[in-house]
Amino acid sequence: AQKITQTQPGMFVQEKEAVTLDCTYDTSDPSYGLFWYKQPSSGEMIFLIYQGSYDQQNATEGRYSLNFQKARKSANLVISASQLGDSAMYFCAMREGSTQGGSEKLVFGKGTKLTVNP
Amino acid sequence: DAGVIQSPRHEVTEMGQEVTLRCKPISGHNSLFWYRQTMMRGLELLIYFNNNVPIDDSGMPEDRFSAKMPNASFSTLKIQPSEPRDSAVYFCASSFWGAPDTQYFGPGTRLTVL
Repeated sequence: AQKITQTQPGMFVQEKEAVTLDCTYDTSDPSYGLFWYKQPSSGEMIFLIYQGSYDQQNATEGRYSLNFQKARKSANLVISASQLGDSAMYFCAMREGSTQGGSEKLVFGKGTKLTVNP
Repeated sequence: DAGVIQSPRHEVTEMGQEVTLRCKPISGHNSLFWYRQTMMRGLELLIYFNNNVPIDDSGMPEDRFSAKMPNASFSTLKIQPSEPRDSAVYFCASSFWGAPDTQYFGPGTRLTVL
């Protein structure tokens, strides 16, 4: 079974508007972390935002925020005031297990290609 | 601060040749990960190390692939012999063992096996 599901292969948004990229996850581990990465056409993987399973508040980083709904097992990325430079692939990823025991691997979704139109 | 460094950035080789990819993690990070990205399979973990010790190599495709981490600042991923189906982008990432243990990726090595 897929652990990370990104149901939107592609999304389009107008410049300056907000957009939500969906991510649902599947785990029975009470301790986990959720990450979003951006991959522009140049190919590098850029870390955007992190949400821990025990975090009480939704994570925010500048124009990025994470809409974390634990009961629904969803961790949607919200990008506000879209810019042309936001056009890229966006990957949701999950790390299971406690950080106390050491770093664990990430499992990635298949990604969503976001296109920002002028 | 320098990020994760990978070399070479591009590698073109012929089937049957040995290929060695190199990675220098961020200084102070104690976990290192090797990923492979293809259109068909997406991003998949090959192997990762904690404190230079391999923890999980279940993603290594077959015996042709091997990885080492002789010290905290260097790791190699070797493919011998290489095959056309190994063509992919190989990423190295590192993290610090502790919350939130975010993995930071290198620029990747684009491998083409002819």
